[in-house]
Amino acid sequence: QKEVEQNSGPLSVPEGAIASLNCTYSDRGSQSFFWYRQYSGKSPELIMSIYSNGDKEDGRFTAQLNKASQYVSLLIRDSQPSDSATYLCAVNLIGTASKLTFGTGTRLQVTL
Amino acid sequence: DARVTQTPRDKVTEMGQEVTMRCQPILGHNTVFWYRQTMMQGLELLAYFRNRAPLDDSGMPKDRFSAEMPDATLATLKIQPSEPRDSAVYFCASGLETGTAGELFFGEGSRLTVL
Repeated sequence: QKEVEQNSGPLSVPEGAIASLNCTYSDRGSQSFFWYRQYSGKSPELIMSIYSNGDKEDGRFTAQLNKASQYVSLLIRDSQPSDSATYLCAVNLIGTASKLTFGTGTRLQVTL
Repeated sequence: DARVTQTPRDKVTEMGQEVTMRCQPILGHNTVFWYRQTMMQGLELLAYFRNRAPLDDSGMPKDRFSAEMPDATLATLKIQPSEPRDSAVYFCASGLETGTAGELFFGEGSRLTVL
């Protein structure tokens, strides 16, 4: 079992719809969770961080964390073509200080 | 505009040659990471420094890779000798660790092609 798992996609959603991206992690003691966006040929950029159970909203983005079920999700409301990218889930596994372990990413395609 | 700077952006070399990649972290950040990204494996951690001290290089092939941080403004990743399987994009990232995991800021990456 991989430490951080994501569906590779592609996940295709029409413009204006809600995109839902999911991530599961293996280490129950993980404390910090991040979503990075990576456009093709570019470097990952941080878009959301979440540290406690529940929802965290930032503009069109909402991160959701459920530690009991060991999953974290990212919702993108009113999806735009500019949201088309690969979304990487990253987790700070217990005992690893600030080292992040990344999932392999989910490719999102927002269609016109 | 603070950012992580990496050089070179692109490097094509022949098998057996030495490759050195350099990274200037964001001023004030105390952690530096080297990641390698391939289509098959995604982002893999190679090395991790905190306050210039190496903390974890378990993801790095020790026989050919080495990572150093000679001062707070420079981190290096060296491959000697390089092999075709080393072809990948190498990212440097820096962050500010304050007790718990911090947010990482990535450089633009160094794309390495070993022929």
